[in-house]
Amino acid sequence: NAGVTQTPKFRILKIGQSMTLQCAQDMNHNYMYWYRQDPGMGLKLIYYSVGAGITDKGEVPNGYNVSRSTTEDFPLRLELAAPSQTSVYFCASSYSRGTNEKLLFGSGTQLSVL
Amino acid sequence: DAKTTQPTSMDCAEGRAANLPCNHSTISGNEYVYWYRQIHSQGPQYIIHGLKNNETNEMASLIITEDRKSSTLILPHATLRDTAVYYCIVRVVQGGKLIFGQGTELSVKP
Repeated sequence: NAGVTQTPKFRILKIGQSMTLQCAQDMNHNYMYWYRQDPGMGLKLIYYSVGAGITDKGEVPNGYNVSRSTTEDFPLRLELAAPSQTSVYFCASSYSRGTNEKLLFGSGTQLSVL
Repeated sequence: DAKTTQPTSMDCAEGRAANLPCNHSTISGNEYVYWYRQIHSQGPQYIIHGLKNNETNEMASLIITEDRKSSTLILPHATLRDTAVYYCIVRVVQGGKLIFGQGTELSVKP
């Protein structure tokens, strides 16, 4: 298994541009998450999904959109990039079964909006 | 999900036990205590979780007080590679959200 794969690893955007951060997992996990982490800060939950076709807002959803058309993929869309969205973005997934739920994180996407 | 309170930073000597405290005084009966750590700028890594009994795995031990209002993560023999930010999180299993706080920055020194 490749685990949780995020692409790209680095990206620079201009203000107002749009882009999609890709996240894929090959473990048949039902739960998937997007977090952002600003420099020196903790992780903030943007959106999460408990299964294909189901998404819900986290702590900081403004400026982002998600979709979950398949179990494997959970892309994060930035429509009008702003400097405040400069951050490291982490995708995570987990298989919720009984009490053994553990999140597995991807390696992150470092995004700069200039 | 309940809030947690952790010290901002701690130091530990290499080879000694690192004891990281966490307060979660508003925890509900169906909420578990989870610990994750983040080394440098990598994605967080799962360490351990528990409900009310003490738990141990190959990485650490988790001690939860009887009233469940606080817990301690124990790294029995800390190494330099254990230097990281440690996050204590409480949540309902299968509850969807996993909310991270600020965490404790642990520095293991030679």
